[in-house]
Amino acid sequence: SQQGEEDPQALSIQEGENATMNCSYKTSINNLQWYRQNSGRGLVHLILIRSNEREKHSGRLRVTLDTSKKSSSLLITASRAADTASYFCATASGGGSARQLTFGSGTQLTVLP
Amino acid sequence: DTAVSQTPKYLVTQMGNDKSIKCEQNLGHDTMYWYKQDSKKFLKIMFSYNNKELIINETVPNRFSPKSPDKAHLNLHINSLELGDSAVYFCASSQGLGLASGFQETQYFGPGTRLLVL
Repeated sequence: SQQGEEDPQALSIQEGENATMNCSYKTSINNLQWYRQNSGRGLVHLILIRSNEREKHSGRLRVTLDTSKKSSSLLITASRAADTASYFCATASGGGSARQLTFGSGTQLTVLP
Repeated sequence: DTAVSQTPKYLVTQMGNDKSIKCEQNLGHDTMYWYKQDSKKFLKIMFSYNNKELIINETVPNRFSPKSPDKAHLNLHINSLELGDSAVYFCASSQGLGLASGFQETQYFGPGTRLLVL
């Protein structure tokens, strides 16, 4: 079953605005990761937040994690046209060799120049 | 220098054919994966190999058979292709699975193979 679900499915903003994407999941996790996929390309890792962390920053990215609500958000500040892509959350669950990532269906972000 | 590479990039074939997709990573990672991304962009894991050993085998038709000749390569062979197999297939790798390896869980993805079954 699908673990992570992103919201909204599509988001269109003007350059310079902030973009917020949300992810909800169903079971307990070890960590949650956000990935980006440009059209026709593979996924690129953006940021990882562990289950005992609440907030993490990387450049213009800010990720929050609320394990009580089983949700995470990705904030991209001062967006640029080059940020146009699909963004996926992925939850890591399971132990040892059974650890795997489960991806949501993504948010398509369009940043208009 | 490509970290995770896949060949071919595009694959168009007739129903019933057998085809293979190759994947190689030059990152020295221990773990490799195959994912299938459907037309709605939903990404689902198919297989995971750690040091050439099958670790994860999700509910995938047995027409799909992964083969790992060494830990840098994980190929995907598909027998008797069906229309529903049309999708983008991604290979990925990560450092390791165990605590001893520092549990590096970031996955590095290849560019994808776009399979179209006619």
